[in-house]
Amino acid sequence: DQQVKQNSPSLSVQEGRISILNCDYTNSMFDYFLWYKKYPAEGPTFLISISSIKDKNEDGRFTVFLNKSAKHLSLHIVPSQPGDSAVYFCAASAIQGAQKLVFGQGTRLTINP
Amino acid sequence: DVKVTQSSRYLVKRTGEKVFLECVQDMDHENMFWYRQDPGLGLRLIYFSYDVKMKEKGDIPEGYSVSREKKERFSLILESASTNQTSMYLCASSFFGGRTAFFGQGTRLTVV
Repeated sequence: DQQVKQNSPSLSVQEGRISILNCDYTNSMFDYFLWYKKYPAEGPTFLISISSIKDKNEDGRFTVFLNKSAKHLSLHIVPSQPGDSAVYFCAASAIQGAQKLVFGQGTRLTINP
Repeated sequence: DVKVTQSSRYLVKRTGEKVFLECVQDMDHENMFWYRQDPGLGLRLIYFSYDVKMKEKGDIPEGYSVSREKKERFSLILESASTNQTSMYLCASSFFGGRTAFFGQGTRLTVV
């Protein structure tokens, strides 16, 4: 039972354009959502997060949007840069869940020059 | 900066061997986690611990055990390694009540 789903295994975007990565969840108890970035042979690094009391959080080139009614979140990167090429994981947690993170399958983002 | 350190970047072990993966964090975090990452499956939780000597099973605990004798150290044990345990293993830690986990660099384990 995949509670967090990233339906696009890969995404290719031109440098300078907007990258939009999507994530859906099924568990209505999730109240905190995160995006991690992962380079090959390295551990994931935290990128940005959002609480369920908000619908948008911005940090520089990165913005996360949350649509609770649709159980959907998205990560926008603008403008996209070559160094953004990586695998992006969406994660969610519930306050009652001992802060365990439940991850999606990941989306490989490739930024083309 | 939070530092989570895994003892090995790459390991090659034989089927049936007992394997120890070690993880140390330097931020006095209460929570520690072991995940494995496989292509198309994302990160799946194996075990986690929210205090010394405390442990709870995650989603895929079969074939694994853990040990947490000190707050800063969390060990994952493969009792008898099998080829289907070939994977990237990731350790993470967080404060109790914290909502963000910080990861180590990962251990790529190959079982032959």
